[in-house]
Amino acid sequence: DAMVIQNPRYQVTQFGKPVTLSCSQTLNHNVMYWYQQKSSQAPKLLFHYYDKDFNNEADTPDNFQSRRPNTSFCFLDIRSPGLGDAAMYLCATSREQNRNPEQYFGPGTRLTVT
Amino acid sequence: AQSVTQLGSHVSVSEGALVLLRCNYSSSVPPYLFWYVQYPNQGLQLLLKYTTGATLVKGINGFEAEFKKSETSFHLTKPSAHMSDAAEYFCAVSFSGGYQKVTFGIGTKLQVIP
Repeated sequence: DAMVIQNPRYQVTQFGKPVTLSCSQTLNHNVMYWYQQKSSQAPKLLFHYYDKDFNNEADTPDNFQSRRPNTSFCFLDIRSPGLGDAAMYLCATSREQNRNPEQYFGPGTRLTVT
Repeated sequence: AQSVTQLGSHVSVSEGALVLLRCNYSSSVPPYLFWYVQYPNQGLQLLLKYTTGATLVKGINGFEAEFKKSETSFHLTKPSAHMSDAAEYFCAVSFSGGYQKVTFGIGTKLQVIP
């Protein structure tokens, strides 16, 4: 089945230790997104890729970076995680088509910062 | 600018009772509207969407929603709640035309009482 895969599902890192979260998709969608979701809150968009074009949200901290080496993969790098970065990180994809604007989400990576 | 308001962060219903989750939106152009469901420690799954055409939209798991332009509403309903419906539900809005940012509501946690 076509899907969005996130690894790992649970990640524990230490305060200030760089961490990378990964996302892959078999849907061949050209748009990929990273969201941060804290407990009992809506997902907050961090950035998205439209093909290879990177689009950062204005309020996304510089501590968060992303890479998309090809259509299928996208990575979220947190350079110096703080306690406030503990959250669920969701990857999503979509087509750029008016008739199919919905996003497809992966299962998420829950990040714990100790 | 677009926004979504979900009335009621927590809703409790008895098993077999009607489920009604409220969503109002604001948008300066015709919107695309979505309902997503999120189970604990999972990503978001699309329940249903409205883009154009029929204003009553049927989704998965027996849910449906009606787009009412005059009321700027897109409420989610299900005639008879099942225990498996207990989850968090997010209403979301975007615009038509290529890539458009999706704005999520704060979510409504549905509790189903046996």
